[in-house]
Amino acid sequence: DTGVSQDPRHKITKRGQNVTFRCDPISEHNRLYWYRQTLGQGPEFLTYFQNEAQLEKSRLLSDRFSAERPKGSFSTLEIQRTEQGDSAMYLCASTGGGDEQFFGPGTRLTVL
Amino acid sequence: SQQGEEDPQALSIQEGENATMNCSYKTSINNLQWYRQNSGRGLVHLILIRSNEREKHSGRLRVTLDTSKKSSSLLITASRAADTASYFCATAPRNYGGSQGNLIFGKGTKLSVKP
Repeated sequence: DTGVSQDPRHKITKRGQNVTFRCDPISEHNRLYWYRQTLGQGPEFLTYFQNEAQLEKSRLLSDRFSAERPKGSFSTLEIQRTEQGDSAMYLCASTGGGDEQFFGPGTRLTVL
Repeated sequence: SQQGEEDPQALSIQEGENATMNCSYKTSINNLQWYRQNSGRGLVHLILIRSNEREKHSGRLRVTLDTSKKSSSLLITASRAADTASYFCATAPRNYGGSQGNLIFGKGTKLSVKP
């Protein structure tokens, strides 16, 4: 399967802990996006990379959140000092330059 | 913040019937896209319509776009039980902060197709 993959698929953590998610985009896709989706809502944009450069960050991305894409391939999203309000599905998408975005299956985070 | 608003929020129909979902948005756009999401899963791209297009077809899908009203509709003809999912419209705003391609999604329409 050459689609977008995300790991882990589910994460349960205690409030105050740090968590890290990984996204592997479709090979050779140069743009990578992170979105967050809460129950009953549509995805909300968090941040965007073109190759290894992080070009835009939403104001939703507080200073507890950091994202990297060190070699322009996979990306990681880290949340420090998690809060219950961080519980959501974290979605990754990639595109090779077209407008259609290809989404991964998401990582569901539950903060207890 | 979310730009699009889908209508209705939920729709229940019988297999074989047509399903129509509407989307309204606020700002100028480059294109509008429709995505489908099965429960607890990632999104699947269905169709894209550019701001200079008025109608587009793909299989059983028909999308219209009215930029003067800032609205779009998605029609699924001859629905099947497998079409049961949430459907989201997403806009690529024109000149949105100079970025390229991040999408702004609505809250979605939850479609249930009963066999």
